[in-house]
Amino acid sequence: EAGVAQSPRYKIIEKRQSVAFWCNPISGHATLYWYQQILGQGPKLLIQFQNNGVVDDSQLPKDRFSAERLKGVDSTLKIQPAKLEDSAVYLCASSLTGVWTGELFFGEGSRLTVL
Amino acid sequence: AQKITQTQPGMFVQEKEAVTLDCTYDTSDQSYGLFWYKQPSSGEMIFLIYQGSYDEQNATEGRYSLNFQKARKSANLVISASQLGDSAMYFCAMRERGGTASKLTFGTGTRLQVTL
Repeated sequence: EAGVAQSPRYKIIEKRQSVAFWCNPISGHATLYWYQQILGQGPKLLIQFQNNGVVDDSQLPKDRFSAERLKGVDSTLKIQPAKLEDSAVYLCASSLTGVWTGELFFGEGSRLTVL
Repeated sequence: AQKITQTQPGMFVQEKEAVTLDCTYDTSDQSYGLFWYKQPSSGEMIFLIYQGSYDEQNATEGRYSLNFQKARKSANLVISASQLGDSAMYFCAMRERGGTASKLTFGTGTRLQVTL
């Protein structure tokens, strides 16, 4: 079974530039999550989708971050304009909807460095 | 208030010894799940073990076991017979059944270093 795919693995940009990250979840997983992990900290949820609807984006900085999940499969997370404090690893995860006892499956992450 | 608290920023253990990583949690839900993930230096999050709030027995998965004390709201991870490959960050996380978004909330992690 293929895991969660993310790209790019690494991205370096200057502040005020824009960047986009892509995620393809495990087949059949209707719930998709984007987490931000700043160095030395635990992952923090940015946004959660169920199919193509948003169920939680309370911690998404909406003035600069946006995310979409077209057709309930792939998802894109965009940052525009980037700030220095956005330097982090962006982790995508997926899980079976309704199985709240089940674990989240994570991708390898996209590491962003903002200069 | 922190939902998940990991008070040990770093731990050392000798190879072949057992080690306990602490985790306490805070929730008013009766139904919840507790998870432990391992994050090696390569960055991926690897699921280790799960404990449900209604599970009567402590979860075990190979060398990993979860010491679940519901009244104390603690869910400590025990790694037996440590190996060099166990060196990594370890995160405790909780998923609450209540609400529409059963997200996973993580603690700040414990860095485990296994020495010879």
